[in-house]
Amino acid sequence: SAVISQKPSRDICQRGTSLTIQCQVDSQVTMMFWYRQQPGQSLTLIATANQGSEATYESGFVIDKFPISRPNLTFSTLTVSNMSPEDSSIYLCSVETSRSSYEQYFGPGTRLTVT
Amino acid sequence: LAKTTQPISMDSYEGQEVNITCSHNNIATNDYITWYQQFPSQGPRFIIQGYKTKVTNEVASLFIPADRKSSTLSLPRVSLSDTAVYYCLVGPSNDYKLSFGAGTTVTVRA
Repeated sequence: SAVISQKPSRDICQRGTSLTIQCQVDSQVTMMFWYRQQPGQSLTLIATANQGSEATYESGFVIDKFPISRPNLTFSTLTVSNMSPEDSSIYLCSVETSRSSYEQYFGPGTRLTVT
Repeated sequence: LAKTTQPISMDSYEGQEVNITCSHNNIATNDYITWYQQFPSQGPRFIIQGYKTKVTNEVASLFIPADRKSSTLSLPRVSLSDTAVYYCLVGPSNDYKLSFGAGTTVTVRA
């Protein structure tokens, strides 16, 4: 298992600014993922962040808008850049701890409101 | 990734058994079936995973028929705290990505 914390838990930001979300895991993990969950919707994968390599982005998400860092095996950041009200969502990180199953552990999420 | 179809919502009462059926007609031979639970203001939580027949843990049971084109998550004797969204996922993908569908909102009433 893994315990994941995220900072901040919530924030209200002005359009045009950027916010960096931190994800900390209590154990070393290879694979970390960033998701977005818009109000009342399901989760959408933004990117996969593996330590030592560039993040891999899903269709519709680009590095300039959502730059990701993965400096070590327990930490990652997601930046939401040049924000607009459409970026208002919950952003979640998750980790995969076992190559023998598809069980991922999720952080509590960061609730972002852009005004 | 195989597409899944599940009911949008289900209502139940405390103490009842809740069964959520998920259709996955295009499931591949090496795909597993995994269910996650998400409470409001929390990230999803892994509930159970299976490949065929029946799997049971302390939280739920998962029934998978021989053709594996559907699966049923069974929550025994639900309580108010089981009110949540339940997601059915089918995979793998080689890169361990999860693809979440719309999920089923289960509301348990007193």
